[in-house]
Amino acid sequence: DVKVTQSSRYLVKRTGEKVFLECVQDMDHENMFWYRQDPGLGLRLIYFSYDVKMKEKGDIPEGYSVSREKKERFSLILESASTNQTSMYLCASSRTTLDRKNQPQHFGDGTRLSIL
Amino acid sequence: DAKTTQPPSMDCAEGRAANLPCNHSTISGNEYVYWYRQIHSQGPQYIIHGLKNNETNEMASLIITEDRKSSTLILPHATLRDTAVYYCIVRADSWGKLQFGAGTQVVVTP
Repeated sequence: DVKVTQSSRYLVKRTGEKVFLECVQDMDHENMFWYRQDPGLGLRLIYFSYDVKMKEKGDIPEGYSVSREKKERFSLILESASTNQTSMYLCASSRTTLDRKNQPQHFGDGTRLSIL
Repeated sequence: DAKTTQPPSMDCAEGRAANLPCNHSTISGNEYVYWYRQIHSQGPQYIIHGLKNNETNEMASLIITEDRKSSTLILPHATLRDTAVYYCIVRADSWGKLQFGAGTQVVVTP
């Protein structure tokens, strides 16, 4: 079974802090994703990565950065946390095929982050 | 990605089959039907996907109509742990972002 592990289920931080969210997958997947999920807004893609040291902006990258130094690990960084970044953060991974088709994304259990 | 329509909610008795419908009348020939579910306070869980043929795995069965304009997810023997929001998505490939609609809130009752 695919296992995507997020380092914390719940996290409370203060405004202005630098926050690190970690995600590790054990299936040797090439692609990794960070989303946030908010009531009424659904899933929104923040960043994704299709290879080590590669990253692409999603729909809402402002205020975030990412790091992928190893294939299995994808980190999300809140440079200076603000209250509007209070949310559920979800990491996902998927395998690449030659035509990039037909491969589901598998999610971790999420980190519920509160910024006070 | 084509738009999908699902009923907002449905109830199911424990031990009975749960049949979850999804309409996707504008689906393109190269788009797959994916199903995910999300149990409260957890991340989305992949269930199954298919293109044309019916599919079955250890969790569920997916029945796609011949014209591909609708599909049904079948949970053969619903348990209380199947209570969740179920999302039907159509997409040409799994690259890039997923977008969930409102989904169907399924409540399994004893």
